[in-house]
Amino acid sequence: GAVVSQHPSWVICKSGTSVKIECRSLDFQATTMFWYRQFPKQSLMLMATSNEGSKATYEQGVEKDKFLINHASLTLSTLTVTSAHPEDSSFYICSASSAGQGARYEQYFGPGTRLTVT
Amino acid sequence: AQRVTQPEKLLSVFKGAPVELKCNYSYSGSPELFWYVQYSRQRLQLLLRHISRESIKGFTADLNKGETSFHLKKPFAQEEDSAMYYCALLLVGNQFYFGTGTSLTVIP
Repeated sequence: GAVVSQHPSWVICKSGTSVKIECRSLDFQATTMFWYRQFPKQSLMLMATSNEGSKATYEQGVEKDKFLINHASLTLSTLTVTSAHPEDSSFYICSASSAGQGARYEQYFGPGTRLTVT
Repeated sequence: AQRVTQPEKLLSVFKGAPVELKCNYSYSGSPELFWYVQYSRQRLQLLLRHISRESIKGFTADLNKGETSFHLKKPFAQEEDSAMYYCALLLVGNQFYFGTGTSLTVIP
């Protein structure tokens, strides 16, 4: 089956620093990757959609200068939280999809990255 | 605008009892709807999608366009069904919008 990994699984950083989270599709080429944010006991909130080789499309209310997304290859997308603040502490989940992988438009989710900003 | 609504945050049923997790959507086009499940300490995974009309782990869901609903049902709940369930609406561009989720607990 399709596997998506995220690294790191948990990161603690100081306020004001930047953190990069990686999302990789391990056994398929992901033409589209998605980044979600999940607060405790709440739903996943779509942050942005990225297609390989093009700029990410951000959802309304998501600061693109704060959450930098790069999708440089068909197997890797990165989310960089710049100048992190405690309110950015959350669970970040990526997913990947490919028209040629599995069911049409099926998304495969990573295990998530827990970010804690102190 | 809230596109997917799951009115129940928590739902508890006894083992062997029927279970229904409600989902309503708001979308003017032709919807593609899905149910995702997240078991404890595991990643989100697809449970079923309406276009395939399949039954997975005994769960079924019927799209009712008149009521704009896509409720998830199972006639006899099992303990292993305890999990977080998310209803999701797929829009153009592979964008999923998730409901707030329902935490199902099956009481032995």
